[in-house]
Amino acid sequence: QPVLTQSSSASASLGSSVKLTCTLSSGHSSYIIAWHQQQPGKAPRYLMKLEGSGSYNKGSGVPDRFSGSSSGADRYLTISNLQSEDEADYYCETWDSNTQVFGGGTKLTVL
Amino acid sequence: QLQLQESGPGLVKPSETLSLTCTVSGGSISSSSYYWGWIRQPPGKGLEWIGSIYYSGSTYYNPSLKSRVTISVDTSKNQFSLKLSSVTAADTAVYYCARLELELPLCDYWGQGTLVTVSS
Repeated sequence: QPVLTQSSSASASLGSSVKLTCTLSSGHSSYIIAWHQQQPGKAPRYLMKLEGSGSYNKGSGVPDRFSGSSSGADRYLTISNLQSEDEADYYCETWDSNTQVFGGGTKLTVL
Repeated sequence: QLQLQESGPGLVKPSETLSLTCTVSGGSISSSSYYWGWIRQPPGKGLEWIGSIYYSGSTYYNPSLKSRVTISVDTSKNQFSLKLSSVTAADTAVYYCARLELELPLCDYWGQGTLVTVSS
């Protein structure tokens, strides 16, 4: 079963860019993941599905500022032109053998 | 626009059974293209998948919760439900329902969540 590893926290300045990382465990580097955003006190929101090739498919209404990329076992979420509303927890998710797996989440602070 | 709405008691006593229902609107739970799932989040912690169900009734559960979980579907009401037995304080969490694509089973729509507190 895959394990997803995320840094616990990240920070970046308003208007800048930030790249969050989700790392797949050994033997699972080809897996597709999803990124979700959870603003304080709200439900998670689906952002995109991201393949190992770097191809991604965003959910409805997700701003162009959000993009995805991949390198080996790493899956990235890049947020450009950071806004205050981007301050949130970000989770990655994958599945294997009818089992869903979530990463521990990264808390993004917008300075 | 698809919407999912959780409902059920916000307070459950220890050792009793937690019961929640997710009502789906703006789409059919009988669609052959989707699973329907339950995920929970203890206060201040991350997301934990509980289990998923297909409209036919096929279920998949988190092995760590499998002995206490039952997920069922009622296609006539466009709802699916969660039962978690023998609850303890560790089951206190916000419970979310979600939709997952069949071919790429990752959550793509979430309910707003409902807080369930286990306390006497």
